[in-house]
Amino acid sequence: AQSVTQLGSHVSVSEGALVLLRCNYSSSVPPYLFWYVQYPNQGLQLLLKYTSAATLVKGINGFEAEFKKSETSFHLTKPSAHMSDAAEYFCAVSDHFGNEKLTFGTGTRLTIIP
Amino acid sequence: SQTIHQWPATLVQPVGSPLSLECTVEGTSNPNLYWYRQAAGRGLQLLFYSVGIGQISSEVPQNLSASRPQDRQFILSSKKLLLSDSGFYLCAWSPELLPETQYFGPGTRLLVL
Repeated sequence: AQSVTQLGSHVSVSEGALVLLRCNYSSSVPPYLFWYVQYPNQGLQLLLKYTSAATLVKGINGFEAEFKKSETSFHLTKPSAHMSDAAEYFCAVSDHFGNEKLTFGTGTRLTIIP
Repeated sequence: SQTIHQWPATLVQPVGSPLSLECTVEGTSNPNLYWYRQAAGRGLQLLFYSVGIGQISSEVPQNLSASRPQDRQFILSSKKLLLSDSGFYLCAWSPELLPETQYFGPGTRLLVL
C-alpha cells in the first residue's frame, strides 16, 4: 500500500522568498504523484502531476516539483512567493496506472508574510 | 471542457435529520466519481467511489451512503445525521482512461447542530 508524508503542517515564507513544501512517498511500485492546492472554502485544484515522464514537472502558477526516486521525494517549489500563494497544499500518490484511488497527505498550510 | 457542480454550497442541519448532497459532472462520459470528507484541520478522507452506474465502493463504514443513479450524477445521503458528520464534503471525478487524475468540485460545507 502506498502512503504520503508531508513534513510541516504549517510553513511561513516572506513574499518574494523561495517556497519549499516537502512530500515523501512510500510505494511498492513506481508511483504517480500529484500536488493539489486548496484555497479557503474551495475545492482542490490540480497544480501538477508526475506520471513517469520527465522527473522535473512544471505546473500552474509558477510551481514545479522534482521526482527523486533515491530520496522517495516529490517536493514542491516556487522561486518567489506571492501573497496569492497562501493556501493549503496536498501531496497525493497513486500506486499505478489505472488505479482510480489516490492517497493524500495531511496537507501543508502555506502562509505568506508581507 | 469538463465541469463539476456540487450543491448546496452550505447546509446547516439538526442532528437526526436526513441529508442529500448532489454532485454532477458535465462534458465527459463514464467518469469515476468520488466523495471525500475534510474535517477541520485534517486531510481528505475518501468515503465512496464509483466506476459506473450503480457501482459503489465504500471506504469507511459510517452513517453515510452513496448512490449513482445516472452516469454523471453522484449523491451522498444519510438517514439520520450525527454531530460528527459536520465537515467539508468534496466530490471529485476522474476520466475513464486516466483514472488516477482527479478533479474536484467546489465542495459543500455541512454543519450539524
